Amino acid sequence: GIQVEQSPPDLILQEGANSTLRCNFSDSVNNLQWFHQNPWGQLINLFYIPSGTKQNGRLSATTVATERYSLLYISSSQTTDSGVYFCAVKETSGSRLTFGEGTQLTVNP
Amino acid sequence: GAVVSQHPSWVICKSGTSVKIECRSLDFQATTMFWYRQFPKQSLMLMATSNEGSKATYEQGVEKDKFLINHASLTLSTLTVTSAHPEDSSFYICSARRQGRDYGYTFGSGTRLTVV
Repeated sequence: GIQVEQSPPDLILQEGANSTLRCNFSDSVNNLQWFHQNPWGQLINLFYIPSGTKQNGRLSATTVATERYSLLYISSSQTTDSGVYFCAVKETSGSRLTFGEGTQLTVNP
Repeated sequence: GAVVSQHPSWVICKSGTSVKIECRSLDFQATTMFWYRQFPKQSLMLMATSNEGSKATYEQGVEKDKFLINHASLTLSTLTVTSAHPEDSSFYICSARRQGRDYGYTFGSGTRLTVV
């Protein structure tokens, strides 16, 4: 099956700093999503971005499908940004969503 | 939007009993729903794919007799953990996808199961 690798596994920032999270995948996909899992476990969909670039406030994401990677940018980080960020993809053939191992982000005041 | 509701949010049960978790798509019909399991500090692992009106498809290593899935309608899938044991304690999350060009997968809020 498809492999999804996220980096870095852990990231500690001071409030106000910017960061970039990366997601590499091993095969063609027609669905890629970035999620933020809050401390209560809920998965918040940040972006549905199988290709191209999207922005939502302080967050933006870019997926270069031909090179099989996606980037999530967080600018002016806040303590409420803390949590685990997951990248999940669906292969072009198939219906299952495969998750990466996640990036644990800690933003300190 | 595409909203998926999951209940209960948390449940504590005694070893040997069964627990049912419900997953509902509130504003769309879902012929397929997905059940994931997440252990602490780990990623989400797909357990099974729930198909409306037919048998679920289980991932390798998942016991179909322990994790019973029923998808009786286009908006409801249930996961029953039968004869639960402490090792079944985990976070269970369901998901569904609304058909359409810009819709991805939407997840329920999850159920934290503790078996004592």
